[in-house]
Parts: sequence; structure tokens; C-alpha cells
Amino acid sequence: NAGVTQTPKFQVLKTGQSMTLQCAQDMNHEYMSWYRQDPGMGLRLIHYSVGAGITDQGEVPNGYNVSRSTTEDFPLRLLSAAPSQTSVYFCASSYSPQYLYGYTFGSGTRLTVV
Amino acid sequence: AQSVSQHNHHVILSEAASLELGCNYSYGGTVNLFWYVQYPGQHLQLLLKYFSGDPLVKGIKGFEAEFIKSKFSFNLRKPSVQWSDTAEYFCAVNPRNYGGSQGNLIFGNGTKLSVKP
Repeated sequence: NAGVTQTPKFQVLKTGQSMTLQCAQDMNHEYMSWYRQDPGMGLRLIHYSVGAGITDQGEVPNGYNVSRSTTEDFPLRLLSAAPSQTSVYFCASSYSPQYLYGYTFGSGTRLTVV
Repeated sequence: AQSVSQHNHHVILSEAASLELGCNYSYGGTVNLFWYVQYPGQHLQLLLKYFSGDPLVKGIKGFEAEFIKSKFSFNLRKPSVQWSDTAEYFCAVNPRNYGGSQGNLIFGNGTKLSVKP
């Protein structure tokens, strides 16, 4: 049972490049989300999904896109990378209702934009 | 806006000392409360959670937390810390029935705990 798998673990991008951070879970969780973690700022929600075909914005969605075509996958797309997007990105998933179960987190993707 | 405050940025303790990390939230309705731990270089793991019932919640590795509704607090405690408890600790709140974001966790900024052997 792999849990929540994120790839890549590390990535360096140049300003203006685009890329997709992958997130996959094998627990049949309905809920998935993306957070970014910055020093002294905790985790901030970027986008989330309560099921296949349903996505919504979180606290800091600008510059990111998501889609949820399957229950298992929830990729995060950076449209045009900026240095302000340098961060550690965590994907999390949960059964619904998620407030009952808490989240299972992936191991993170450390992104540097130069 | 809903928020979670963790007042201690960095706590340094010696082994066997007692630990209490503060967490306060701003939301007047029903909440679910969580504490997560992040060991160096690792992802967040759930320590404990409060949903309803007994406000004193026991989690893994000897941690416990007490929900005090009147104080909007959910402080984390451990009677005797070990060097292996060195990590960053995050309090998180789910304000139930809060519009379209029901179920999303709001995280505090985290408290780094360093335990000296």
C-alpha cells in the first residue's frame, strides 16, 4: 500500500517554465488537496477536490491549475513559474468526510524557481 | 477569516522535560482539531485528533491534547520528551459547516521543538 505518492521529489525551474507536480493515492480517498509550505507560514491550501471531476480553489490558487479526471490522481500545474513559487508542495488525501479522518500526506516536492 | 495561532515559534527542551505547545483558533462554531508532526525531511503525520466527546485526547507516542472550548484552545502536551521528539508540530482546525470549504484544514504556522539529549 503506497499511500500518497508525489513526484518529483526535487525540481529546479527557470522563471517562465511550466511543469506538473504529480500526486497519486491508492486508498480510494475521495478528497485530495495541494498545500504549499513556506518557512514561518505553515501550510497554505492551493486547490482541493472532493471527488473526480470536482475541484475548487483554496487560499493561494493564483498561478496554479488542477484537474481531477480520476479518483487516484490530482496533478498540480504551474503555468508560468515565478520565484515566489519556490516552496515545498504537499499533496494530501482523505476519506470523506475529511474532518472525521484527517489527512494522509505525501512526502513532498521541493521546488526551486530561479 | 478563520485562523490558527501557534504562539511558540521555537521551543528548546532537555530530555525528560515536560512539553506544552499552545494552539488557539478563531471560529465560534463547531470545530474538529488536529495535531500533526513533521520530523526533519519528512512529511506530516497525524499525532491526534479531536472530533467530539472527551476533550482530553490521547495520541501516538505519548502525546495528548486538551480541547478547551471556552478558550478556543487545543494545546498539545507530553509529560516527558525524548530526543526523538525533535520535529515541527502543526495545529490544524477544520471549521465545520463553513461555507464551500467545509472539510479543509486550516494550519497554524508550526512550532519547532528541539530536544537536547
